[in-house]
Amino acid sequence: SYELTQPPSVSVSPGQTASITCSGDKLGDKLGDKYASWYQQKPGQSPVVVIYQDNKRPSGIPDRFSGSNSGNTATLTIRGTQAMDEADYYCQAWDSSTVLFGGGTKLTVL
Amino acid sequence: QVQLQESGPGLVKPSETLSLTCTVSGGSISSYYWSWIRQPPGKGLEWIGYIYNSGSTNYYPSLKSRVTISLDTSNNQFSLRLSSVTAADTAVYYCARGRIYCSGGRCFLDWFDSWGQGTQVTVSS
Repeated sequence: SYELTQPPSVSVSPGQTASITCSGDKLGDKLGDKYASWYQQKPGQSPVVVIYQDNKRPSGIPDRFSGSNSGNTATLTIRGTQAMDEADYYCQAWDSSTVLFGGGTKLTVL
Repeated sequence: QVQLQESGPGLVKPSETLSLTCTVSGGSISSYYWSWIRQPPGKGLEWIGYIYNSGSTNYYPSLKSRVTISLDTSNNQFSLRLSSVTAADTAVYYCARGRIYCSGGRCFLDWFDSWGQGTQVTVSS
């Protein structure tokens, strides 16, 4: 079955760029051929979409959030990371009639 | 702005059936995949399934034998039933609205644009 793999944790200094990857794992079926979305979840809160369809930002999401998806890897990039960006981030895609989530990445802003 | 609100018992006994309802306000139940997603304590998100306004459903394979999602369009609600629960079903349960993307005659759930606040369900005797 298809799986989405994320690093458990990423650390970044304030003002720097954070990159969180999401790797697809299924022979002959690349994540780059699907749409990837990204969700931010802060403690005790519901997830909020920050990127959809690989690189689109919903209204209200700062332009420091961007996304890309190519080959077997989707990437969420946060430029000029702020303390308020510290959260868990989940990638999501669709495969074989199933919604898949990555395991999540805890972003720490040191 | 659409809002979703989960409701239902917070405690369910093992082997019994978990039942939750999601009430949708500020928008109609049409042209979206209305979904349930759960998050066990300290863990990641797990999609449970969705229902379309036609009544068609799609469930996560490992839960399919125990899950039923239904729709009540007159009250703008959709519901989840999960049977034969165990402690492993303890989680925060979210309802969410899924955007649909169609291409080449096939449609799929693209992304979730609205989520409920979530409701904690504990399975314990």
